Amino acid sequence: EAQVTQNPRYLITVTGKKLTVTCSQNMNHEYMSWYRQDPGLGLRQIYYSMNVEVTDKGDVPEGYKVSRKEKRNFPLILESPSPNQTSLYFCASSLLSNEKLFFGSGTQLSVL
Amino acid sequence: TQLLEQSPQFLSIQEGENLTVYCNSSSVFSSLQWYRQEPGEGPVLLVTVVTGGEVKKLKRLTFQFGDARKDSSLHITAAQPGDTGLYLCAGLDDKIIFGKGTRLHILP
Repeated sequence: EAQVTQNPRYLITVTGKKLTVTCSQNMNHEYMSWYRQDPGLGLRQIYYSMNVEVTDKGDVPEGYKVSRKEKRNFPLILESPSPNQTSLYFCASSLLSNEKLFFGSGTQLSVL
Repeated sequence: TQLLEQSPQFLSIQEGENLTVYCNSSSVFSSLQWYRQEPGEGPVLLVTVVTGGEVKKLKRLTFQFGDARKDSSLHITAAQPGDTGLYLCAGLDDKIIFGKGTRLHILP
């Protein structure tokens, strides 16, 4: 089944403790992206990747890192999480940057 | 900066009623997408409209792209509880821009 898989679904952590949210797609998509979704602010893009080893900042990249060492994986790294990074995070992929996006089921992160 | 404004933000109506939600921008897009997001899940694409004036139907849902490719509407006929969710429009150019969504609740 074609899908985008993110883990974990839920995560509670404390300020400053490094964490990684994993994302994997099995559709051989070139483009992958991370979004955060907050009430009243909608979906905001954090980082995106057009292809392996190519990553770019989205609209709200501060406090986040990504890597794209393999085509299928695009992990989101929070080196030193802060409470303002409490949010619902979505990974998405598509064949090309301006085509249908396939979203993961989301990761609800709480930073205490 | 390209922006997509969706209205209304929230809509709660009775089962069986008709409704229209809107997606407006001052920018021209090469195409526009509508996604539906249900609680606990990621958005799922419903439709892509490409040509100005284009109308697409998906069962009881009718999507229209404005003639100038700056706006779009989604009309639902005889709304059902299963239509409940967050409806997001997304404008496509060299990147995808999302609106903030319309949260729709259909009361049984």
